[in-house]
Amino acid sequence: EVQLVQSGAEVKKPGATVKISCKVSGYTFTDYYMHWVQQAPGKGLEWMGLVDPEDGETIYAEKFQGRVTITADTSTDTAYMELSSLRSEDTAVYYCATVNNWNDVPHYWGQGTLVTVSS
Amino acid sequence: QSVLTQPPSASGTPGQRVTISCSGSSSNIGSNTVNWYQQLPGTAPKLLIYSNNQRPSGVPDRFSGSKSGTSASLAISGLQSEDEADYYCAAWDDSLNGPGVFGGGTKLTVL
Repeated sequence: EVQLVQSGAEVKKPGATVKISCKVSGYTFTDYYMHWVQQAPGKGLEWMGLVDPEDGETIYAEKFQGRVTITADTSTDTAYMELSSLRSEDTAVYYCATVNNWNDVPHYWGQGTLVTVSS
Repeated sequence: QSVLTQPPSASGTPGQRVTISCSGSSSNIGSNTVNWYQQLPGTAPKLLIYSNNQRPSGVPDRFSGSKSGTSASLAISGLQSEDEADYYCAAWDDSLNGPGVFGGGTKLTVL
């Protein structure tokens, strides 16, 4: 069974950086692409980027380019999403989600991590 | 605004059939497959339909998907109260703005 387990909720001050983890099990980590998706309170889903754990190649959405870094640690089967220069608008639930095809959107989702940005 | 366009709301009574539309362009729905997700309040999205019309194991056959050109639809027949949720379409996009695109979501109310 594919499982994605994310790290716990975070509270950060404006200007800080947050790093969220996503540990996977139930499949070969390098066989699936890992995506990250943002959902602000009461809003829809917004795609942030993805990483290919096999070679570390990443693609980022234009909106987050320059502030987001997505990485994959194959020694621990864990993916990470780091978002810097946090502002209040970054308050949201962040999901990791995975799929095994290149030109496809995610099938399996983590439980989500709430990040609150507040002074 | 979202790259894929969905109606913000839909409604139906128990037992009815409801359809939710998702409109895109040649760079996303027109050239790639569509997935649909169901999101219950306070929970993560759950895959409902993949590859336009395929149901993952465990998803009731009351849910069906279709695609034509640059649009896709999700149909729910025999509507039940537990179907009340937010529904999102998504597709890969071949443009330079980033490969993953979602619809804005449709809030389904069971009257």
